[in-house]
Amino acid sequence: ETGVTQTPRHLVMGMTNKKSLKCEQHLGHNAMYWYKQSAKKPLELMFVYNFKEQTENNSVPSRFSPECPNSSHLFLHLHTLQPEDSALYLCASSNGEKLLFGSGTQLSVL
Amino acid sequence: GENVEQHPSTLSVQEGDSAVIKCTYSDSASNYFPWYKQELGKGPQLIIDIRSNVGEKKDQRIAVTLNKTAKHFSLHITETQPEDSAVYFCAASYQAGNQFYFGTGTSLTVIP
Repeated sequence: ETGVTQTPRHLVMGMTNKKSLKCEQHLGHNAMYWYKQSAKKPLELMFVYNFKEQTENNSVPSRFSPECPNSSHLFLHLHTLQPEDSALYLCASSNGEKLLFGSGTQLSVL
Repeated sequence: GENVEQHPSTLSVQEGDSAVIKCTYSDSASNYFPWYKQELGKGPQLIIDIRSNVGEKKDQRIAVTLNKTAKHFSLHITETQPEDSAVYFCAASYQAGNQFYFGTGTSLTVIP
């Protein structure tokens, strides 16, 4: 275990649903990240939060909405997703040196 | 920005042989280079890393080498075992920064 915990591990949702992914770490890391990993594609950085402030938003569609209430918790709110959004969503955290990943949420959009 | 290239994209080796995966980077400011192993259905796991002030680091059967002048670094796995089969990613970062740039991954298969 890396110390970065993601829930749920698997999620199936319809295109009209609203759901949230959760990530938490108690490693004292100041930065938290959301990555998207699709089959046959490189890791795609979605969002970065540093000390609760969003420092990176890689042109992600507004149907993905991140929330970082404190340095230990990160959420990704999902609404009106498309089938092409089906992927493994990975949370990670960093202390400015090592980047550690959670196990990911495997998302299927029907 | 930084650009990390990784080769090969797939690699098959016989059990007991060595495997080498290579990465190049473009930004000379990058000074931290981690390697990750990702098994099916799991998140990437940090397996070894190297900072730019050293040229080589070893941890049991895994070693990483860094050539700062040529801007390339490599992962070496010796005496490969079937459980080494996974996708391996390299990355480059400016330490104390929050940006990590990943290679496209190498799918390693170790044939028993």
